[in-house]
Amino acid sequence: GAVVSQHPSRVICKSGTSVKIECRSLDFQATTMFWYRQFPKKSLMLMATSNEGSKATYEQGVEKDKFLINHASLTLSTLTVTSAHPEDSSFYICSAEVAGGPKNEQFFGPGTRLTVL
Amino acid sequence: AQSVTQLGSHVSVSEGALVLLRCNYSSSVPPYLFWYVQYPNQGLQLLLKYTTGATLVKGINGFEAEFKKSETSFHLTKPSAHMSDAAEYFCAVSPYGNNRLAFGKGNQVVVIP
Repeated sequence: GAVVSQHPSRVICKSGTSVKIECRSLDFQATTMFWYRQFPKKSLMLMATSNEGSKATYEQGVEKDKFLINHASLTLSTLTVTSAHPEDSSFYICSAEVAGGPKNEQFFGPGTRLTVL
Repeated sequence: AQSVTQLGSHVSVSEGALVLLRCNYSSSVPPYLFWYVQYPNQGLQLLLKYTTGATLVKGINGFEAEFKKSETSFHLTKPSAHMSDAAEYFCAVSPYGNNRLAFGKGNQVVVIP
């Protein structure tokens, strides 16, 4: 149980285009989902907290107009990287909390590797 | 603000030997502490966590960790390494009542036959 999927697993795009990454909780409802970015040999950096039906809360230094987050249902959150540039290339990971479950227990997706040419 | 320090990005251990991964944290409030494991091309999996109560926490796959408030540490151990333990391990901290996680840089564990 508590499986989180991400789609796509890998994406390559041209500079200036937008890319959408989906995060789904497959067997549970998630009122809260999180988006992380992982650089090579670096830790995961929390980008934003996504709550179903409300605006995402972004961490300091994360451009909300560049990284658009939508959490339209209890099982789906999307991250759209707008006008992508090579410096946006990274590994993006989402996680989800089980609605009504223990706080601070997040289930992670397998990640999406974004490469911007 | 909270932060996590994991020293030594790569850790080599012989099969059957003790696995010890160090984690030190800073937090302005009582923390929740976590260890996650990440296998290649997979998401992070929770190994164990400390919230309150007993400071020695046992997790999956034979791992355990001890919360030492005086040392602000939460080191991860396993008495005998298996080849299947080769993976990346992350320590994370979350302030009490706050569900935002701060991660360390991770330790890549290599198990030598």
